[in-house]
Amino acid sequence: AQSVAQPEDQVNVAEGNPLTVKCTYSVSGNPYLFWYVQYPNRGLQFLLKYITGDNLVKGSYGFEAEFNKSQTSFHLKKPSALVSDSALYFCAVRDTGNNRLAFGKGNQVVVIP
Amino acid sequence: NAGVTQTPKFRVLKTGQSMTLLCAQDMNHEYMYWYRQDPGMGLRLIHYSVGEGTTAKGEVPDGYNVSRLKKQNFLLGLESAAPSQTSVYFCASSYSWDQAYNEQFFGPGTRLTVL
Repeated sequence: AQSVAQPEDQVNVAEGNPLTVKCTYSVSGNPYLFWYVQYPNRGLQFLLKYITGDNLVKGSYGFEAEFNKSQTSFHLKKPSALVSDSALYFCAVRDTGNNRLAFGKGNQVVVIP
Repeated sequence: NAGVTQTPKFRVLKTGQSMTLLCAQDMNHEYMYWYRQDPGMGLRLIHYSVGEGTTAKGEVPDGYNVSRLKKQNFLLGLESAAPSQTSVYFCASSYSWDQAYNEQFFGPGTRLTVL
């Protein structure tokens, strides 16, 4: 079965600094990888996904993620963090063999003004 | 276009009571899902449906039942609520499985407390 690890509970970053949220995955086949963001008291919103092709994926709100097959990672990045980026971020993976998404436990991002 | 909506937003139950959570989507999606979110555990799949009239068990199905009588609606039922079912419940939907890379669209959630 597929699984996702998000090793850090919370990421603190100063406004204007680069932001990285880490994710590693485990699947038996080819991975479909996703990042979602959850603002307080809201549902999850889709940010970006990797299916095939270019290892650098660009998504909403200036976020991007880099797929690294050898390290089984899919880290989320933003060059310059905003206070409004403070939220809970979830990485998810779907194995090509089934129709379920496996979510990580989430990373709380706090952007300090 | 409302997307995915959930009713109710909040609910407090006593142990043993029953209730139904309603999810509706207006995007003509084939797939619908029910998740629960608990602190430090991410989202866990309860049940899902691949089309009208079909349902399947997810990761944590015990204590829950579901029905998909209409394509746009997916109901989650708790027959006899327990304190362990205190959680935030999210419904999601997506396009058909033959495009497995399609992302899921989430509702705003239902916060359930069982006393």
